[in-house]
Amino acid sequence: EDQVTQSPEALRLQEGESSSLNCSYTVSGLRGLFWYRQDPGKGPEFLFTLYSAGEEKEKERLKATLTKKESFLHITAPKPEDSATYLCAVRHSSASKIIFGSGTRLSIRP
Amino acid sequence: GAVVSQHPSRVICKSGTSVKIECRSLDFQATTMFWYRQFPKQSLMLMATSNEGSKATYEQGVEKDKFLINHASLTLSTLTVTSAHPEDSSFYICSAEKTGIFEAFFGQGTRLTVV
Repeated sequence: EDQVTQSPEALRLQEGESSSLNCSYTVSGLRGLFWYRQDPGKGPEFLFTLYSAGEEKEKERLKATLTKKESFLHITAPKPEDSATYLCAVRHSSASKIIFGSGTRLSIRP
Repeated sequence: GAVVSQHPSRVICKSGTSVKIECRSLDFQATTMFWYRQFPKQSLMLMATSNEGSKATYEQGVEKDKFLINHASLTLSTLTVTSAHPEDSSFYICSAEKTGIFEAFFGQGTRLTVV
């Protein structure tokens, strides 16, 4: 059964304190792994798509990496405005639906 | 860009009435759209997948007669919650997938409160 597990469930960092969020997945034939950011009361905002192991993508303070079993979202020198829930999702090659993890609630203290 | 507009953002309705939520892809065509439900501090739960011009595919446990989905064009899908009850109160979110590109973009969500 396809599964996506995110850890930690919640993470509190000091401004400027770099860290990583983890997304472990089991899926038969990965078509894509997605990272989204969600603010309270809003829909998820698309961040990255990763397609194959070894791929990396960056956007401002965020960098996403992918292996055959997991993905990491690295956040470098975070700012309070980076506080949000970060969602990981996967799609496998023979299905149209996207499966979401439970998310990591990231809080950055000034 | 890839903008998905969802309307309304908030709605309050009385028990027994029906509510329609619209999801539009503004600057791209979307063959496939998804409807999700999200409870507080929980992740997104897929309700159904809709493909333009065909019947929606509902996830197990989702009542298709209660949550009517129509995807009549490449830019519009609607979700109608029929005979709403307080337990239907939730945050409903749609997403649209760019035709030919397997990336999904989300609307702003609709907070439904049934009183």
